[in-house]
Amino acid sequence: QKEVEQNSGPLSVPEGAIASLNCTYSDRGSQSFFWYRQYSGKSPELIMSIYSNGDKEDGRFTAQLNKASQYVSLLIRDSQPSDSATYLCAVNTGGFKTIFGAGTRLFVKA
Amino acid sequence: EAQVTQNPRYLITVTGKKLTVTCSQNMNHEYMSWYRQDPGLGLRQIYYSMNVEVTDKGDVPEGYKVSRKEKRNFPLILESPSPNQTSLYFCASSFGSSSYEQYFGPGTRLTVT
Repeated sequence: QKEVEQNSGPLSVPEGAIASLNCTYSDRGSQSFFWYRQYSGKSPELIMSIYSNGDKEDGRFTAQLNKASQYVSLLIRDSQPSDSATYLCAVNTGGFKTIFGAGTRLFVKA
Repeated sequence: EAQVTQNPRYLITVTGKKLTVTCSQNMNHEYMSWYRQDPGLGLRQIYYSMNVEVTDKGDVPEGYKVSRKEKRNFPLILESPSPNQTSLYFCASSFGSSSYEQYFGPGTRLTVT
């Protein structure tokens, strides 16, 4: 069974701090990795995609991928209360099959 | 406006009464997928479709059917719903093999009594 693991949290950080969200996956052949944000009662929305080892930055968000360690992370710099949400890690395991982690709840305290 | 729509948004039904949840996208996406979301379990893929008339099972297909007769539509059919299918359902679409980034519909909350 292919798996994607995330710490369920909640992760609580003060406003302005860096929030670090982590994800591990079991299928070594996975090639595509995604972070989605889901506000309570809403649908997931894509934040970042990453396909190769290293860092990818987009505004306050940085995705990091280490395929050797089967590890993906998302850093949110200058965290804002509006960043409070559940963050879902998703891994494409081949073809169009996608496995999601259960999500990490993030609270940013003003 | 580019979007994925689902109907109905909320549905309460009884065990065994066939139902269909519709999903439509206006982005000319090749790929569409259905997920269910349950507390503590995250999003689990039910079925997906790579193009018209091409569908495949995800991780939890039991008790569900799908069809893809038109590129824009991907309905989810529950022939005989049971209480364990009470869940929040999301439809999603993406361009396809050039991009697996998915765009989600607003969700359908289904309760089966």
